[in-house]
Amino acid sequence: EPEVTQTPSHQVTQMGQEVILRCVPISNHLYFYWYRQILGQKVEFLVSFYNNEISEKSEIFDDQFSVERPDGSNFTLKIRSTKLEDSAMYFCASSVISEAFFGQGTRLTVV
Amino acid sequence: GESVGLHLPTLSVQEGDNSIINCAYSNSASDYFIWYKQESGKGPQFIIDIRSNMDKRQGQRVTVLLNKTVKHLSLQIAATQPGDSAVYFCAEPAGGTSYGKLTFGQGTILTVHP
Repeated sequence: EPEVTQTPSHQVTQMGQEVILRCVPISNHLYFYWYRQILGQKVEFLVSFYNNEISEKSEIFDDQFSVERPDGSNFTLKIRSTKLEDSAMYFCASSVISEAFFGQGTRLTVV
Repeated sequence: GESVGLHLPTLSVQEGDNSIINCAYSNSASDYFIWYKQESGKGPQFIIDIRSNMDKRQGQRVTVLLNKTVKHLSLQIAATQPGDSAVYFCAEPAGGTSYGKLTFGQGTILTVHP
């Protein structure tokens, strides 16, 4: 069964460092998303990406965040200068049109 | 140490019981809803969806009920099993070309005791 895969599963980084979270969406999907979930809280939308550009973003997705689809398979989320409050689970998702399939997530810990 | 964060509603049931998980929404124009299951350490997993032109939709062991009058939907799980233990979220897509842009509810922790 096709699935969204994310790497790494856990990333520990020092405050102020840049991190890149990687995702391989399902191959025939057209829409790609990043969500985050702070421990004990609900899943929050960050950004959606379609046709090689950002289609929507939330107020969380500020200038410290960027997304890229560098090739035909990978979809990345970069955080330029991490802050302690960026610690969370980050989920990548992809969809054809409606049903979004989520990856297992990357746990980001900023110390 | 002290934990900080939202305290999710919890539902604790015995194996074999039926479970009902509730969700309220605020936008009367909302026309599509999805229930997701999130197991510990995993991403949300689609369970079932319902459109606003329906009051009820059934899947395998799950039923979603939609009451548009009071803006409420529920997820019913029949014969609950230990493998059903997870956090359950209702979610609402933005619609249009933004079906994957989901607004998640707070979530309910379901614990099934053998």
